[in-house]
Amino acid sequence: AQSVTQLGSHVSVSEGALVLLRCNYSSSVPPYLFWYVQYPNQGLQLLLKYTSAATLVKGINDFEAEFKKSETSFHLTKPSAHMSDAAEYFCAVSEGSGGTSYGKLTFGQGTILTVHP
Amino acid sequence: NAGVTQTPKFRILKIGQSMTLQCTQDMNHNYMYWYRQDPGMGLKLIYYSVGAGITDKGEVPNGYNVSRSTTEDFPLRLELAAPSQTSVYFCASGEDYPHGNEQFFGPGTRLTVL
Repeated sequence: AQSVTQLGSHVSVSEGALVLLRCNYSSSVPPYLFWYVQYPNQGLQLLLKYTSAATLVKGINDFEAEFKKSETSFHLTKPSAHMSDAAEYFCAVSEGSGGTSYGKLTFGQGTILTVHP
Repeated sequence: NAGVTQTPKFRILKIGQSMTLQCTQDMNHNYMYWYRQDPGMGLKLIYYSVGAGITDKGEVPNGYNVSRSTTEDFPLRLELAAPSQTSVYFCASGEDYPHGNEQFFGPGTRLTVL
């Protein structure tokens, strides 16, 4: 069984400040990990994904995340927040290669990011 | 490519009514999924399909049915709508390993049951 925990349902930062959104997972097999972003009244868009290659993954809009197996974490960061980053962010996990999950994703509860001027 | 499209965008149902949420993808993906999103709960998998004619239950299937007669279409059926089915419904498609499990999402259908 897999699960995802996102620490903090709401995160507020000032424009230009560091963004850090936390995600911890549990998985009985090597996982694939994802961060998705959802802007108001829209569907989910993929920010980045980890699929067992480099542990530091770079995504769109200067976001990046680091897979830390020892900590079972996949935290999302961005060096400098922009007003347009305000959205809800979801961490998700699926079974990696060799699994039989048919690509099914288990999502965290989501973190709403607010960016203040 | 249009990607994943969903209709309708919004719908209000009365308790006990039925409806079908439509989902179509033009990326020739084998896998398709239906999720529901409730505030503070993330997304929960309702049903999924690994190809035409093959479907299976997800985490929260009660009150829903699906079919998959073609690669492109994956409709979700609500037979007897209940207030607990008020939610935002997302359809997604994708491919499994070695394509990285990335899923592509539609814009969603916002359903209210009164």
